[in-house]
Amino acid sequence: EIVMTQSPATLSVSPGERATLSCRASQSVSSNLAWYQQKPGQAPRLLIYGASTRATGIPARFSGSGSGTEFTLTISSLQSEDFAVYYCQQYNNWPPRTFGQGTKVEIK
Amino acid sequence: QVQLQESGPGLVKPSGTLSLTCAVSGGSISSSNWWSWVRQPPGKGLEWIGEIYHSGSTNYNPSLKSRVTISVDKSKNQFSLKLSSVTAADTAVYYCARDDKESDAFDIWGQGTMVTVSS
Repeated sequence: EIVMTQSPATLSVSPGERATLSCRASQSVSSNLAWYQQKPGQAPRLLIYGASTRATGIPARFSGSGSGTEFTLTISSLQSEDFAVYYCQQYNNWPPRTFGQGTKVEIK
Repeated sequence: QVQLQESGPGLVKPSGTLSLTCAVSGGSISSSNWWSWVRQPPGKGLEWIGEIYHSGSTNYNPSLKSRVTISVDKSKNQFSLKLSSVTAADTAVYYCARDDKESDAFDIWGQGTMVTVSS
């Protein structure tokens, strides 16, 4: 099973600032990585797939990069609606499809 | 557009079987997509349970494989989850989701349904 590790667990950022979230895979997942955003009481929403492709309707302030075992999600200028929990997920080797434990982006 | 809706009992007794259904609307379950179940214990992260194709082919999380059955009913445009021998550790919000054929990621999710295992 591929283990996904996200850091930090919590990120405190002021509105308008840049947020950088990391995700590491225990072995290479090529570019088969997705990022999701989850707000309280809601289902996750797909943000990024293929490590760097934005899903339909996702604002350009969200960008993904990386390949192999190291990945980054960057939010260029945090808006109030971006404070949420973010998960990475690999779909290179499955079963099982595996998620990271999440990074909570909170208001500083 | 495609929408997913979970349904099923919100309370299951320990050692019993959890049964949920995901209704697909706005599209066909026989499209070239896989369909998954994902769960989230209260205050915790996401865990993939398994997936099914309209042909009936399945893949399961090895950690749950001995207790999980996912099935499809094309006539009703829905798929289902059964999890047997449940314990309190199976208490979670259960989501159904579509594995998009283009991206291989979960692009559409149901709203989720909370299932509590308790006597």
